[in-house]
Amino acid sequence: AQSVTQPDIHITVSEGASLELRCNYSYGATPYLFWYVQSPGQGLQLLLKYFSGDTLVQGIKGFEAEFKRSQSSFNLRKPSVHWSDAAEYFCAVGADNFNKFYFGSGTKLNVKP
Amino acid sequence: GAGVSQSPRYKVAKRGQDVALRCDPISGHVSLFWYQQALGQGPEFLTYFQNEAQLDKSGLPSDRFFAERPEGSVSTLKIQRTQQEDSAVYLCASSPDRGYNEQFFGPGTRLTVL
Repeated sequence: AQSVTQPDIHITVSEGASLELRCNYSYGATPYLFWYVQSPGQGLQLLLKYFSGDTLVQGIKGFEAEFKRSQSSFNLRKPSVHWSDAAEYFCAVGADNFNKFYFGSGTKLNVKP
Repeated sequence: GAGVSQSPRYKVAKRGQDVALRCDPISGHVSLFWYQQALGQGPEFLTYFQNEAQLDKSGLPSDRFFAERPEGSVSTLKIQRTQQEDSAVYLCASSPDRGYNEQFFGPGTRLTVL
């Protein structure tokens, strides 16, 4: 069965520090992977997606993610975090010809000044 | 351009009441999805439409949940005889086609059942 695990419920980093949010997936076929960000009271905004090709994908707001098939991981990174990055981040895998997404339970990011 | 909109943004219902949640997808988007997001959890798939056809409703938690998209644009999620466990944020998303693509999400409707 398809599933997504985000091991870290909360993460706190200092502004300007680097960030890595972990995501592990379970899916039988080639996964289509996404990272979304959700600010309070807002909908989900797509940060980046991986379909095929280069395993390092660039997204908006300076985020990137690396697909590692051997580790079933798709970790999100940012070299220097800004206070405005404080939000909740969700990893998702697209399945069943994209008829549905399976989401992780999210990682809430706090940014210290 | 306009994104996905949902109404109402907040809904408080007494247990046993029926509610209807509306989703206006991005104009021209073929696919429409409903998700349920419980507090502290990620969204969970409820149902999927391609135009007016409901192709997957495997995520609807009970027969009290019903969704429709009669003209292939606006969709309504109806919950009959609401229960406290129905309290959640209901997210709607649309996608331009049925292929491999991102889903564009609305702001959600927060339903609280007392």
